[in-house]
Order: sequence, then C-alpha cells, then structure tokens
Amino acid sequence: EPEVTQTPSHQVTQMGQEVILRCVPISNHLYFYWYRQILGQKVEFLVSFYNNEISEKSEIFDDQFSVERPDGSNFTLKIRSTKLEDSAMYFCASIGGTGRVNTEAFFGQGTRLTVV
Amino acid sequence: AQSVAQPEDQVNVAEGNPLTVKCTYSVSGNPYLFWYVQYPNRGLQFLLKYITGDNLVKGSYGFEAEFNKSQTSFHLKKPSALVSDSALYFCAVRDIEGYGGSQGNLIFGKGTKLSVKP
Repeated sequence: EPEVTQTPSHQVTQMGQEVILRCVPISNHLYFYWYRQILGQKVEFLVSFYNNEISEKSEIFDDQFSVERPDGSNFTLKIRSTKLEDSAMYFCASIGGTGRVNTEAFFGQGTRLTVV
Repeated sequence: AQSVAQPEDQVNVAEGNPLTVKCTYSVSGNPYLFWYVQYPNRGLQFLLKYITGDNLVKGSYGFEAEFNKSQTSFHLKKPSALVSDSALYFCAVRDIEGYGGSQGNLIFGKGTKLSVKP
C-alpha cells in the first residue's frame, strides 16, 4: 500500500539553527500539507501546497518557515532559525486526485523535532 | 469559522464493551467529516469519513461513526472494544470556506485518548 514517508524520524537541533524536514508524498498525489503537534496538544495546520506554490498557510507559518518541492518526489519544510517553541511532531500529508474536499489525507509517521 | 470539538480528554472502557468517542462540529454548508487514529509514536491513520449518504459510516478495524445533522455530531463507535484499540482519536472537518480558491485543509479536534482495559 502506498504511503507517505518522512525523514528523519527524530531530529535534535540547537536553537537558532536551520532544519529541513523531508517528506515523500504518495506518488500520484497533487496536494501536500504540513501539520504540527506540540506534545499533548492538538494537531495544527501549517501550510498547504499545490501546483508548486503555497495555497494556504496558517498564522503559525511565519517568515521562519518555508516549503519547497525541489523535484518530483520530495516535499520539504524548512525552519530558518529554530526556537524552543518549534519543538513538536511535524506531520506531512498528501491528497490525491481532484476530489480534494471529500478525499481523505494520508499522513506520514511524523518527524519529532526537539530544539535545545 | 469551521471547527470541531471533542469534549472528552479521555474515555475509559473495558474490553468487550461498546465504546463511543464524541465529536461535534460547526460548519457553514455541508460538513466533510473524518476520524483519524494515532497509535503511540506513529502517524495519523485514516479510519472513516462522512461526505454524503447514509448517516452510519463504517470504517477500518470495526469502527463506525454516526452523523447526526440536528445535533451536529459525528460520534465514533465500536460495538466491542479491544485492548489494541487504545490510542488517541482525532475528529476532523475539512475547511471548505472559500473552496475553489485555496482552502481544503483539515481542522482537527484536540483528540480523545481511548484506554481499553482487559
């Protein structure tokens, strides 16, 4: 069964450093998302990406964040200068086809980011 | 704004008993509702969805959910709980305000921890 894969599974970084979280969505999917889950809290939307551009972003997704689809398979989330409060589980998700509204999203297993 | 609420932080049930995990929603227009499960140290797994049609939706692992428009609820149910069902359950609604432009992300409830004891 096709799946969304994320690397690394766990990353520890020092405050102020840049991190790149990587995702490989399901191959024929067209819509890509990043979510985050701070420990013990709800899953929060960060950004959606379609047709090689950001289609929507939340207020969490400030200038420190950027996304990129550098080739036909990878989808990355970059945090330019990490803060302690960026520590969270980051989930990538993708949706296929044109039935976006009624189609479920497939999630990766997540990357746990710890900023020290 | 569209939202979902999961009023219970935790639900405890004995193995073999029926379980219900509650979810209520607030949307403008037709609701597109989803349930996801998160096992420890794992990602979110899709369980089931309601788009249109029958109010009782059947999904993975024996779970089902009942859509109730008058009560704006979409409660997750299972007739007989298993210890292996213990996990975090998330209700979500598709954000379709402004759809046709840039919307479509999922809005999640805060999650309900289900604990099934032997």
